[in-house]
Amino acid sequence: LAKTTQPISMDSYEGQEVNITCSHNNIATNDYITWYQQFPSQGPRFIIQGYKTKVTNEVASLFIPADRKSSTLSLPRVSLSDTAVYYCLVGDLASYGQNFVFGPGTRLSVLP
Amino acid sequence: GAGVSQSPSNKVTEKGKDVELRCDPISGHTALYWYRQRLGQGLEFLIYFQGNSAPDKSGLPSDRFSAERTGESVSTLTIQRTQQEDSAVYLCASREAVEQFFGPGTRLTVL
Repeated sequence: LAKTTQPISMDSYEGQEVNITCSHNNIATNDYITWYQQFPSQGPRFIIQGYKTKVTNEVASLFIPADRKSSTLSLPRVSLSDTAVYYCLVGDLASYGQNFVFGPGTRLSVLP
Repeated sequence: GAGVSQSPSNKVTEKGKDVELRCDPISGHTALYWYRQRLGQGLEFLIYFQGNSAPDKSGLPSDRFSAERTGESVSTLTIQRTQQEDSAVYLCASREAVEQFFGPGTRLTVL
């Protein structure tokens, strides 16, 4: 089970690009990297998932280096509404249960 | 379309009472998870169901906690003899492919 390490908190200002890095040194060959976002009083929601290199969707980009021991979630031009907790998960899509374990996440505060 | 629903949204109970929490997953989703989230903390895995396979109960914190799921439908999480430390938000998620879809959670307060 790959363990992840993220910064506990980050501050940013509106309009800036925010990069949150997650370390997963013992990621396994079959593991994918998934990021979730959680607003207060809500359940987490899926943002993006990748295996290697770069993935981009309408919300964010995910950068994964060749060794896959870390990944970086990039949020372009954040707004106040991006204030949330961001979770990095590493797991094997073919397996179940505790392969998808949420750590404490990164609390992002976007300031005006 | 309908997402994951949970009931009740809030539950206040007295220490020592039993509580039952309900999760209605998205129709057709074979995987279902229960998590616990204490105030200001991350999600703590409790139990996982996948189709008709034996559930992964490795996250249940004590034998006071149990969960059931009938087929690929509703799941119930039961906490017996509740303690104040059980106070938390209990989240349910269902998954078909790569993405977990979470319900709004049940906020449990044990007095």
